[in-house]
Amino acid sequence: NAGVMQNPRHLVRRRGQEARLRCSPMKGHSHVYWYRQLPEEGLKFMVYLQKENIIDESGMPKERFSAEFPKEGPSILRIQQVVRGDSAAYFCASSPKLPGNTEAFFGQGTRLTVV
Amino acid sequence: GENVEQHPSTLSVQEGDSAVIKCTYSDSASNYFPWYKQELGKRPQLIIDIRSNVGEKKDQRIAVTLNKTAKHFSLHITETQPEDSAVYFCAASTGRDDKIIFGKGTRLHILP
Repeated sequence: NAGVMQNPRHLVRRRGQEARLRCSPMKGHSHVYWYRQLPEEGLKFMVYLQKENIIDESGMPKERFSAEFPKEGPSILRIQQVVRGDSAAYFCASSPKLPGNTEAFFGQGTRLTVV
Repeated sequence: GENVEQHPSTLSVQEGDSAVIKCTYSDSASNYFPWYKQELGKRPQLIIDIRSNVGEKKDQRIAVTLNKTAKHFSLHITETQPEDSAVYFCAASTGRDDKIIFGKGTRLHILP
């Protein structure tokens, strides 16, 4: 089991470009979370998805940000028209969400730098 | 929605001493409380968790306690070692179909 895989590990984008962050959950895990972490700060919840369904996106900015978790392939966090304030580490975590087992395991993160 | 408060934000303890980190939560429906450790530049890693049907759980030098009435839970690390230096996050979740909400973290320094 390869664990939660995120790519790329580092991403540099110019202001106004689009950023696409990918997350492949652990095998057998049906649910994915995305969190944003600013330097020296905590993990801020963004969105929670299961395959083909957004369960909770209450932490996602209303504009420019979107997330999906298709039936096949990784979960994608998409940031359009990036601004300097989007620079952060973006972590995804996956969970099997089985009765009695709600553990979530994190990927290595994608460090986005907007220049 | 759920709100998790964590204290202190920074904690320095002498090597060999104990460290205690405290968290409170707001949603009485929360029933799952994990703790994560994050070393510099690395991913958060689950170190221990507790569910609301137990009051205490121990794993070697780490223990967690939960007081459902007061809605607070704590992480205890005994006989601290240099490798315990990291940022520790508490979190709360209502379980099966809800998000996991994190506290702001505690930066733990183990002093030689």
